[in-house]
Amino acid sequence: QQPVQSPQAVILREGEDAVINCSSSKALYSVHWYRQKHGEAPVFLMILLKGGEQKGHEKISASFNEKKQQSSLYLTASQLSYSGTYFCGTASPGGGTSYGKLTFGQGTILTVHP
Amino acid sequence: TAGITQAPTSQILAAGRSMTLRCTQDMRHNAMYWYRQDLGLGLRLIHYSNTAGTTGKGEVPDGYSVSRANTDDFPLTLASAVPSQTSVYFCASSDSPATGLSDTQYFGPGTRLTVL
Repeated sequence: QQPVQSPQAVILREGEDAVINCSSSKALYSVHWYRQKHGEAPVFLMILLKGGEQKGHEKISASFNEKKQQSSLYLTASQLSYSGTYFCGTASPGGGTSYGKLTFGQGTILTVHP
Repeated sequence: TAGITQAPTSQILAAGRSMTLRCTQDMRHNAMYWYRQDLGLGLRLIHYSNTAGTTGKGEVPDGYSVSRANTDDFPLTLASAVPSQTSVYFCASSDSPATGLSDTQYFGPGTRLTVL
């Protein structure tokens, strides 16, 4: 089942912060975050493994709460280059050949204006 | 480094015709994947291959077939295209089949397919 992302869309001014949430109805092993610019391929941002760790680089970070089956992506002091669609991909323990397959959320469109 | 290449970039296809979308990676990754992306639905897995010689069905496999004769190539075939297969198709690869652990999936540039 597809994870649910919220909000569906966010509009920011440069320098503002944003949070994108990803929620699953299934137990999760890991959460992967990707960003996609219009007309381009998705680009990997980061992976979070179960254990509640928070990862990040520069002004983009993320957390993973395995008990709540949720992950959040934090964008701090947004830049114009942050504009795009953000996807979370979740992996659940499944066993067999389906183990580890990613299921992607529907995406969150982030627009940063000057 | 090329990474993943896909061909064609775009295609208009008449309903009922067959077509093969090509995907080649030069990273020697074990696992490869085909996704379709439709507005509002995100990326949905069509088929995958954990290693050369093996394939598996994803979330939306009907109407599609794949083969994995070697490590580098993973073609996707539509035997008899229908308008609902209009979509953007992305090929991806990862170093390990168990992407749930710590793997990154790398995506190709995509093929935009329109079935009329």
